[in-house]
Amino acid sequence: EPEVTQTPSHQVTQMGQEVILRCVPISNHLYFYWYRQILGQKVEFLVSFYNNEISEKSEIFDDQFSVERPDGSNFTLKIRSTKLEDSAMYFCASSVVGQGGTEAFFGQGTRLTVV
Amino acid sequence: GENVEQHPSTLSVQEGDSAVIKCTYSDSASNYFPWYKQELGKGPQLIIDIRSNVGEKKDQRIAVTLNKTAKHFSLHITETQPEDSAVYFCAASKNTGKLIFGQGTTLQVKP
Repeated sequence: EPEVTQTPSHQVTQMGQEVILRCVPISNHLYFYWYRQILGQKVEFLVSFYNNEISEKSEIFDDQFSVERPDGSNFTLKIRSTKLEDSAMYFCASSVVGQGGTEAFFGQGTRLTVV
Repeated sequence: GENVEQHPSTLSVQEGDSAVIKCTYSDSASNYFPWYKQELGKGPQLIIDIRSNVGEKKDQRIAVTLNKTAKHFSLHITETQPEDSAVYFCAASKNTGKLIFGQGTTLQVKP
């Protein structure tokens, strides 16, 4: 069964450092997403991406964040200068189409710890 | 703004009993309502979904109901088994693909 894969599973970084979280979406999917889940809180939408550009982003997704599809298979989330409050589980997801009503498949997540 | 409220936050049932989790959404334009199961160390996995043109949907032991007028939807799990123990999330979406999640319900099924 096709699945979304994320690397690394756990990333520890110093405050102020840049991190890149990587995702390989399901191959025939066209819409890609990043969500985050701070420990004990709900899963929050960060950004959606289609046709090599951001289609929607939340207020959390400020100038410190960026996304990129550097090649035909990877989808990355970059945090330029990490803060302690960026510590969370980050989930990548993909779907065939973006309109509401289409199943989104989630990766297993990357736990980011900022120290 | 867009918001989804989910209750209860924790639910403990005996094996074989039923479990019900309820969600309320704020945006009347929402038209897609998936339910996700998250096991420890894993990402959310879709278990069932319902669209706004349907009132109820069932898949074996799992069913979801939707009341558009009241803007709430519920997950029903019958004949619960220990392997049903997990965190369950409801979500709502409009025609954008973006999911708004509820707070999650930790379900514990006691053998």
